[in-house]
Amino acid sequence: RKEVEQDPGPFNVPEGATVAFNCTYSNSASQSFFWYRQDCRKEPKLLMSVYSSGNEDGRFTAQLNRASQYISLLIRDSKLSDSATYLCVVRLSSGNTPLVFGKGTRLSVIA
Amino acid sequence: EPEVTQTPSHQVTQMGQEVILRCVPISNHLYFYWYRQILGQKVEFLVSFYNNEISEKSEIFDDQFSVERPDGSNFTLKIRSTKLEDSAMYFCASSSRGFAGYTFGSGTRLTVV
Repeated sequence: RKEVEQDPGPFNVPEGATVAFNCTYSNSASQSFFWYRQDCRKEPKLLMSVYSSGNEDGRFTAQLNRASQYISLLIRDSKLSDSATYLCVVRLSSGNTPLVFGKGTRLSVIA
Repeated sequence: EPEVTQTPSHQVTQMGQEVILRCVPISNHLYFYWYRQILGQKVEFLVSFYNNEISEKSEIFDDQFSVERPDGSNFTLKIRSTKLEDSAMYFCASSSRGFAGYTFGSGTRLTVV
């Protein structure tokens, strides 16, 4: 069973659209949750942490459902520059434990 | 904005050769990491390093791999005898504590031929 599972996409959406990505994780002991963004052949960059109460950063909203072991990312008013792969990432505990990455969901925003 | 710097950006090596990938973490960071990403695959943890020793390593990080912080600024990953399947993007990362401020370098693309 994959530790962090995501729909690989691609999601092809027009500019201005709202798009949602989902992610499930297998280890119920996971404590920390993140969304990273990765452009083609570049390093992952932290987009946002995900908190149990849900959190928003501009056009981006993240939700966590611990009971279902499910994480989501909503992007409103998509821009061309949002085109990238979005990586769901979990961590077993705080501190120095490794990040566990999903394979990512590819988004293409089309003019 | 502080950066994690990796060199070289691309390295081509023959199977069986040793390679050293170099990283300069952010200067006040204390935790250092290596991850790798095989083309088309997910990012995978290799090793974490703190207080001049390995704090955790994955099953990928076998005896062919070693890490070192030789001079207080560089953080290196050595692959002793490269295999074709070592071809991947290798990312160095550093953080000031545990997780907060986890910054990845731009990576070294290793191609083993």
